[in-house]
Amino acid sequence: DIQMTQSPASLSASLGETVTIECRASEDIYNGLAWYQQKPGKSPQLLIYNANSLHTGVPSRFSGSGSGTQYSLKINSLQSEDVASYFCQQYYDYPWTFGGGTKLELK
Amino acid sequence: EVQLVESGGGLVQPGASLKLSCVASGFTFSDYWMSWVRQTPGKTMEWIGDIKYDGSYTNYAPSLKNRFTISRDNAKSTLYLQMSNVRSEDTATYYCTRDMNPGYFDYWGQGVMVTVSS
Repeated sequence: DIQMTQSPASLSASLGETVTIECRASEDIYNGLAWYQQKPGKSPQLLIYNANSLHTGVPSRFSGSGSGTQYSLKINSLQSEDVASYFCQQYYDYPWTFGGGTKLELK
Repeated sequence: EVQLVESGGGLVQPGASLKLSCVASGFTFSDYWMSWVRQTPGKTMEWIGDIKYDGSYTNYAPSLKNRFTISRDNAKSTLYLQMSNVRSEDTATYYCTRDMNPGYFDYWGQGVMVTVSS
């Protein structure tokens, strides 16, 4: 199985700040990577797919980048509604696997 | 509007069986691969498996393959997860998802809780 290592596990940031979350795969996943946002008590929602494609309706302050084994999610100008947990997921090879998640809080 | 509504969860004893359902609406169900994903109380996400749009092919997480079975009824726009010989570590919230490619999940249900305890 491809292991996904996500960092940091938790993050505290101020409104307006830029935040970056990292995800490292145990092998090359050729941009087969998605990012999800999960607000407290809610289901996950797709943010990014194919490492850098923004899902319909997702604000442009969210962006994804990376290649090979290293990927990142960036949130520009943090808003209060961005308080959530974020997960990466690889879909290059079965079984699909997730990172451990990053809990983002406001400072 | 795409909707996925899971049901069938609850408290179940170790070793028992349980069948979850997911009713889909707002899209042509028979056009899409579908998956089940679960999230443990500690928030770990685990993909369980998926099923091809016509039900002819399934893939599973190796650790669950022998106990979990995914099926679908396209006439009823319904996805199923049959769980057998459940264990305490199966305690989780189970999500039905619509797959793209397949690979990533563009819509998720609200989730259904399963608690395995005596």
